[in-house]
Amino acid sequence: EVRLSESGGGLVQPGGSLRLSCEGSGFTFSDYAMTWVRQAPGKGLEWVSVVGNGDGHITKYADSVKGRFTISRDNSRNTVYLQMSNLRAEDTAVYYCAKDEPWGSWGQGTLVTVS
Amino acid sequence: IILTQSPVTMSASPGERVTLSCRASRTISNTLAWYQQRPGQAPRLLIYEASSRAPGVPARFSGSGSGTQFSLTVSSLQSEDFAVYYCQQYYSWPLTLGGGTKVDI
Repeated sequence: EVRLSESGGGLVQPGGSLRLSCEGSGFTFSDYAMTWVRQAPGKGLEWVSVVGNGDGHITKYADSVKGRFTISRDNSRNTVYLQMSNLRAEDTAVYYCAKDEPWGSWGQGTLVTVS
Repeated sequence: IILTQSPVTMSASPGERVTLSCRASRTISNTLAWYQQRPGQAPRLLIYEASSRAPGVPARFSGSGSGTQFSLTVSSLQSEDFAVYYCQQYYSWPLTLGGGTKVDI
């Protein structure tokens, strides 16, 4: 069974930093692109970033986070990371990780509050 | 690529057939997915490549369309289908999603 588990969310002040983690299990982690999608309170879904399969040298970002967020992966730990810096109030959201493209499996999300 | 979903909200009854629409601002071939999100839950993939059902998705869900016009049909609404539905394109970067259609009772 595919499982994705996010962690690392919490309350952070504007301008601060946070690193999210997403650990996968039940599949060959290195074979799949991994994505972060976020959802602000009461709002719709917004794609944030993706890291390609394999060594993860291919990365893409939404314009809203480009230059502030960095995605990476550690296949030895079956984990994808989202390093978030210079956080703003508008980054407040539940952050989900998702597997593959389109996003066939999702974690339960981790809440990031910037206040 | 901007995805516009309509309607924003729709009210329906159990057993009813409903169709949700998603329009792309330019052609995306068939690189469109549909997701369902129930309250308090993570989204779930329903349809990919515009018309292919994801594993485990009931046959009452079907997708159609190509180019710029797409639809998701639920042939007979069940209680668990009352949720928000999002379309998403993976034709080009940045990946984008529609604003969602809420289906309520």
